[in-house]
Amino acid sequence: EVQLVESGGGLVQPGGSLRLSCAASGFTVSSNYMSWVRQAPGKGLEWVSVIYSGGSTYYADSVKGRFTISRDNSKNTLYLQMNSLRAEDTAVYYCARDRLVVVAATPVHDAFDIWGQGTMVTVSS
Amino acid sequence: QSALTQPASVSGSPGQSITISCTGTSSDVGSYNLVSWYQQHPGKAPKLMIYEGSKRPSGVSNRFSGSKSGNTASLTISGLQAEDEADYYCCSYAGSSTFDVVFGGGTKLTVL
Repeated sequence: EVQLVESGGGLVQPGGSLRLSCAASGFTVSSNYMSWVRQAPGKGLEWVSVIYSGGSTYYADSVKGRFTISRDNSKNTLYLQMNSLRAEDTAVYYCARDRLVVVAATPVHDAFDIWGQGTMVTVSS
Repeated sequence: QSALTQPASVSGSPGQSITISCTGTSSDVGSYNLVSWYQQHPGKAPKLMIYEGSKRPSGVSNRFSGSKSGNTASLTISGLQAEDEADYYCCSYAGSSTFDVVFGGGTKLTVL
């Protein structure tokens, strides 16, 4: 069965750090583009970060310089290291697989076709 | 990138059809046929319902359909059922040298 399972969320003080994990089964993380998407309480979805199959990484401006996406191929697991956390980072964090399509000979994002169940991160003193 | 614009809420009675709009710009929705739609029930993860503007993943009911005109994409749900009551989000590739994806603000669908 193809699935993603997140873990690592919790309560952290402002300025603190947290590492989220996303274990995949049924497919290979390193062969896919993988993203983190978050949802603040009562709000909409916000893309956070992506790691390409080739290893390139990109971030939303709101987390650039504070968050780091990575993966462990041996564990088939995606990670999100979150440092210098702020109250506005409070959200449910989802990992998701990027479905790709080729446009002008370049693979680009088509949709997020597989989602994890999410893990809650609360930044508060 | 600015968020795509969706109505905050729509409603319909069982058996009716409803349409949710998603308005972007010529840089995202208007330039690419890469709009996706997600259904999210309370406390649950989003679920992909439509990709590439009008294609349905395996297992998604054919009551769900997608279309696009200019800078506006639309999701139509026909034969409304109680279980369709959920939040719906559109998303579009916005095309740039770096990864660029933009979501809509979401629409709450109420089945009366």
